[in-house]
Amino acid sequence: SQTIHQWPATLVQPVGSPLSLECTVEGTSNPNLYWYRQAAGRGLQLLFYSVGIGQISSEVPQNLSASRPQDRQFILSSKKLLLSDSGFYLCACRTGGAEGYTFGSGTRLTVV
Amino acid sequence: GENVEQHPSTLSVQEGDSAVIKCTYSDSASNYFPWYKQELGKGPQLIIDIRSNVGEKKDQRIAVTLNKTAKHFSLHITETQPEDSAVYFCAARPPSGTYKYIFGTGTRLKVLA
Repeated sequence: SQTIHQWPATLVQPVGSPLSLECTVEGTSNPNLYWYRQAAGRGLQLLFYSVGIGQISSEVPQNLSASRPQDRQFILSSKKLLLSDSGFYLCACRTGGAEGYTFGSGTRLTVV
Repeated sequence: GENVEQHPSTLSVQEGDSAVIKCTYSDSASNYFPWYKQELGKGPQLIIDIRSNVGEKKDQRIAVTLNKTAKHFSLHITETQPEDSAVYFCAARPPSGTYKYIFGTGTRLKVLA
């Protein structure tokens, strides 16, 4: 079964600073990859998904971008963070005939 | 697009009692409904799921029921234990082919010893 690695686990960044969160997947190939954000007291909001290298779909207009430079690598970025970017960011993976997602352990981002 | 509502937002039960969490969805074409458990500081983990052609599914102390006519599905946990304390999310998958799940807002379950 696949394993998702996310880092860092926690991050405190000042407003206006750049961001790079990385997600890598082991144990599978050609996965569908997803970035979700979980704001305090709210559900999981889909930010981006990717069905292959270089293929990114954005779900909501925002200050963030995503890239998939390799099959099992998914990166979430921002050039200038906003306070509203604070939240818990989760990378998820789905492969083959599986129905459900496998989630990473998440990154808690606090923008100050 | 699909919208999923989840209730209650918090639920406290005594150890050994049952817990029920309910979700409703808006897109009648949604065909897959997973439930995830998220422990503090961790990513959600799939605990049970159900497809639209099934009305009920059980796995030991947990079960999920689906009412397609009413467009709602529920998670049932029997004989609750302290380790069941967590946030539970329901989700629905519209048949878009990209497996983009729409999640509910979560239920924080507390099992009181």
